[in-house]
Amino acid sequence: QQPVQSPQAVILREGEDAVINCSSSKALYSVHWYRQKHGEAPVFLMILLKGGEQKGHEKISASFNEKKQQSSLYLTASQLSYSGTYFCGTEHAGNNRKLIWGLGTSLAVNP
Amino acid sequence: KAGVTQTPRYLIKTRGQQVTLSCSPISGHRSVSWYQQTPGQGLQFLFEYFSETQRNKGNFPGRFSGRQFSNSRSEMNVSTLELGDSALYLCASSFGGMNTEAFFGQGTRLTVV
Repeated sequence: QQPVQSPQAVILREGEDAVINCSSSKALYSVHWYRQKHGEAPVFLMILLKGGEQKGHEKISASFNEKKQQSSLYLTASQLSYSGTYFCGTEHAGNNRKLIWGLGTSLAVNP
Repeated sequence: KAGVTQTPRYLIKTRGQQVTLSCSPISGHRSVSWYQQTPGQGLQFLFEYFSETQRNKGNFPGRFSGRQFSNSRSEMNVSTLELGDSALYLCASSFGGMNTEAFFGQGTRLTVV
């Protein structure tokens, strides 16, 4: 079951914050976050594990809500370089290493 | 260190033909995964190879196959191409353990006409 990402798209001004959610209908084991800029390869941001703590990468952090089967990606004080499409890949118990990806959230940061 | 290299970058094929795509992983990485990326379906997992063995497989028809060589380089083959196979094909390499970071190549853009 493909995870649902919301919102589908967001436009920010430099310095603003954003939250991207990734929800699954199945019990999550881990959530992987990647960012892909237009015409480039997806780049790893972080992995959230079930029972694990909130992770951070520069001013980008993420959390894992086991009760809601959801992960949220927090982008604070956004920079122009944050523009791109953010994907979450979910891993479920018994399906190890086989990631199912959301359709992505397009983020545009304007000056 | 050198990144993941995929060749060719662009390919145009005719319906019914077959195609082979290549992926050279980062040195030391033993796992290579293949994905199909389209605007409507997003990233779809094709298969994963680890130490020359297919370790995981997605829900694609048998026309899609792959292999991995002893140097970890991997190839993906699609036979009897259909228009719907037009997509960006990405490969990702990693050390292959649980919950490890994957490094993606820039992909091969396949267009079937």
